[in-house]
Amino acid sequence: DAGVIQSPRHEVTEMGQEVTLRCKPISGHDYLFWYRQTMMRGLELLIYFNNNVPIDDSGMPEDRFSAKMPNASFSTLKIQPSEPRDSAVYFCASNGRGRGAEAFFGQGTRLTVV
Amino acid sequence: AQSVSQHNHHVILSEAASLELGCNYSYGGTVNLFWYVQYPGQHLQLLLKYFSGDPLVKGIKGFEAEFIKSKFSFNLRKPSVQWSDTAEYFCAVTPFGGGADGLTFGKGTHLIIQP
Repeated sequence: DAGVIQSPRHEVTEMGQEVTLRCKPISGHDYLFWYRQTMMRGLELLIYFNNNVPIDDSGMPEDRFSAKMPNASFSTLKIQPSEPRDSAVYFCASNGRGRGAEAFFGQGTRLTVV
Repeated sequence: AQSVSQHNHHVILSEAASLELGCNYSYGGTVNLFWYVQYPGQHLQLLLKYFSGDPLVKGIKGFEAEFIKSKFSFNLRKPSVQWSDTAEYFCAVTPFGGGADGLTFGKGTHLIIQP
């Protein structure tokens, strides 16, 4: 398995633009997580899905953020409109409950909003 | 909800020194505990994990951690560090059985090993 795949690896965009981050979890994993990493706040859980259904989105900072998981092999995190304070590294992770909760992380997307 | 506290934000050591990074968690039930490592510019990788049984767990690259239930601690240790151990280290906890709430991470400890 190629692991969790995220795209793009780097994204630079202007304030006000829409940004879409993509994630392909490991095949067979039924949980998918989106994390944000910043120097100030560390790693924060934004939202997670179980069997494609959003379970907890309490970590999503505001309405500008939305996430979808249309099928078991794909998820998106969208920011519209983007702001400079959204600049961070966004990680996607997946795990299968039967494997004892070990989460596998993607390479991350480094987002810069100017 | 669970929480994780890592005591040191920055640690600087010389090569061959011994390492211990502190981690305490708060949660009312049984937990799974993890240490992840993030090398510069890379994603998080699992270093070791505790689920049950022997509270002393061994991971990759000579790292080990000891779960002390009475202290709610899961400290990471290595007897002799190398320059290549320079990285960010994250302690994490999830309710036993995992998955349901995702991992809760500590703020991380930035470890710098000087040659």
